[in-house]
Amino acid sequence: QKEVEQDPGPLSVPEGAIVSLNCTYSNSAFQYFMWYRQYSRKGPELLMYTYSSGNKEDGRFTAQVDKSSKYISLFIRDSQPSDSATYLCAMSDNAGNMLTFGGGTRLMVKP
Amino acid sequence: GAVVSQHPSWVICKSGTSVKIECRSLDFQATTMFWYRQFPKQSLMLMATSNEGSKATYEQGVEKDKFLINHASLTLSTLTVTSAHPEDSSFYICSAWGPSSYNEQFFGPGTRLTVL
Repeated sequence: QKEVEQDPGPLSVPEGAIVSLNCTYSNSAFQYFMWYRQYSRKGPELLMYTYSSGNKEDGRFTAQVDKSSKYISLFIRDSQPSDSATYLCAMSDNAGNMLTFGGGTRLMVKP
Repeated sequence: GAVVSQHPSWVICKSGTSVKIECRSLDFQATTMFWYRQFPKQSLMLMATSNEGSKATYEQGVEKDKFLINHASLTLSTLTVTSAHPEDSSFYICSAWGPSSYNEQFFGPGTRLTVL
């Protein structure tokens, strides 16, 4: 079993839809949780960064962390074609330590 | 967010040659840099962690004599792929972290290596 599990997709939604992306993990030591967006042939871009449990909102993006269930989510409201990318969850047990990545979910938003 | 650059962005080389990839943190001091490899449609796989002024720590299965990492300054780390072979063709990405990066790792744009 992988340390971080993420549905690879692809996930195809119409423009304007609410998108829900999820990861589960097994290591209870993880405290830092991140979501990255990666366009094809580009480096990952940090979208959301959360420490411990709770919600964090930034524009159309909301990140949720439920440490009791070892489950994290990223919600994208009013999805746009420009949101089409691969979304990677990542987590760490300490700031500055190595990140453990999920496999990535490929999202396609159709106009 | 902080800016991390990589050079070159893509490189094609002949089998048996060595290739050097640079990773620079442009606006903060990176005490730690990470090197990842990503194959098509797969996630990032950590290759090694380097701390400024120290030897790199390699992940299991990564040959340290083949992938030479140098982190001589707080703004520059290099990855040299020695005696490259076609199976080394991949997307190589670095990330940087420092005390002033507010607990975040910042990724470079990646380097696409093709070995003929």
